[in-house]
Amino acid sequence: DTEVTQTPKHLVMGMTNKKSLKCEQHMGHRAMYWYKQKAKKPPELMFVYSYEKLSINESVPSRFSPECPNSSLLNLHLHALQPEDSALYLCASSQEPSTDEQFFGPGTRLTVL
Amino acid sequence: AQRVTQPEKLLSVFKGAPVELKCNYSYSGSPELFWYVQYSRQRLQLLLRHISRESIKGFTADLNKGETSFHLKKPFAQEEDSAMYYCALLGGNFNKFYFGSGTKLNVKP
Repeated sequence: DTEVTQTPKHLVMGMTNKKSLKCEQHMGHRAMYWYKQKAKKPPELMFVYSYEKLSINESVPSRFSPECPNSSLLNLHLHALQPEDSALYLCASSQEPSTDEQFFGPGTRLTVL
Repeated sequence: AQRVTQPEKLLSVFKGAPVELKCNYSYSGSPELFWYVQYSRQRLQLLLRHISRESIKGFTADLNKGETSFHLKKPFAQEEDSAMYYCALLGGNFNKFYFGSGTKLNVKP
């Protein structure tokens, strides 16, 4: 399996809801990433996990909470989001932390009402 | 500070015409540079990276350290090349990816 998969593809949630985004890769990559991409803008890095430990948090609000249960899985827990958080959330992975090309998932299109 | 600049938001060319997507970077060390492409409704994917010096789908890019540029070129554009192209730099304190703002390439028939 040479792909990064993300679920769900689309998510609509209210500002009081709690939801989670999931990302999975089975390429043996030791680094995983969350990006946020607004329409017609480049991806913006949110978090980096290196060997299952959080290594970079780009000053992301606490309403976004990442979790890396194991080396293949990466979650992003969402709580009390704002409408401006609506975006495409991309997961990526790389063989080694930040030293190699990144493989991107298809993204989860999130809409916050 | 690390920065990647793609001066053109939109580039329209006719099929068969040469195309050049510009990318300039600002970085104090030795950067690793990439071109990523995002076709409509598809995931972001690596097109090429400067250290491999490959030609992918007819595209090439040469790192010019003197001009701090990494322009993407193709001699004869095809309609299927229409996509969003991002130049990216890997570097900085934590070896992060820095993406340019992207150039939308539109190849007209």
